Amino acid sequence: NAGVTQTPKFQVLKTGQSMTLQCAQDMNHNSMYWYRQDPGMGLRLIYYSASEGTTDKGEVPNGYNVSRLNKREFSLRLESAAPSQTSVYFCASSVTRSLGDNSPLHFGNGTRLTVT
Amino acid sequence: AQSVTQPDIHITVSEGASLELRCNYSYGATPYLFWYVQSPGQGLQLLLKYFSGDTLVQGIKGFEAEFKRSQSSFNLRKPSVHWSDAAEYFCAVGPFGNEKLTFGTGTRLTIIP
Repeated sequence: NAGVTQTPKFQVLKTGQSMTLQCAQDMNHNSMYWYRQDPGMGLRLIYYSASEGTTDKGEVPNGYNVSRLNKREFSLRLESAAPSQTSVYFCASSVTRSLGDNSPLHFGNGTRLTVT
Repeated sequence: AQSVTQPDIHITVSEGASLELRCNYSYGATPYLFWYVQSPGQGLQLLLKYFSGDTLVQGIKGFEAEFKRSQSSFNLRKPSVHWSDAAEYFCAVGPFGNEKLTFGTGTRLTIIP
């Protein structure tokens, strides 16, 4: 089982460039999440998708957009990258059987993004 | 607003020694509490969780944690660490819903022979 797969693993962008981070899960999970991890800040939620067809903002959504393409895939787009978006990005999924479920989060291995 | 504090940024422990990682939280009601572990270059993996009931919870890899309401703490323990336990450990707290979780800043664990 691959679990949660993120691509690419590493990316360097120049300020103002755009890119899309891809995430796919093969566990038939309903909910998917995008986090960023910065030194001394822990993980912060950017966007999440409780189920196919829905997306909602998390704690730090500015500068990002998301698409829940289908049940398996949840992409994160940076339209105009800024140095403040230099971070490690993690995608996660959970089965989430009902509203308010705290099913375990399953994480991908992350994408290390540098914006110069 | 909820918050979680992991006071120790970095801990070094000898292999075979016992381990305790601290987690303190601020939350208005009984929270959902989690410990996640991140091995180098990997995503996070759930070690254990507390929702209700017995305040001492067992997790994977021989870890356990104890919820102490009076101290607002959820410390992670292991009686004897192995070199493979070297990783970063994150405590998380929240109400219903993963989207509402707050993660701590993490504690990096180094194991020396």
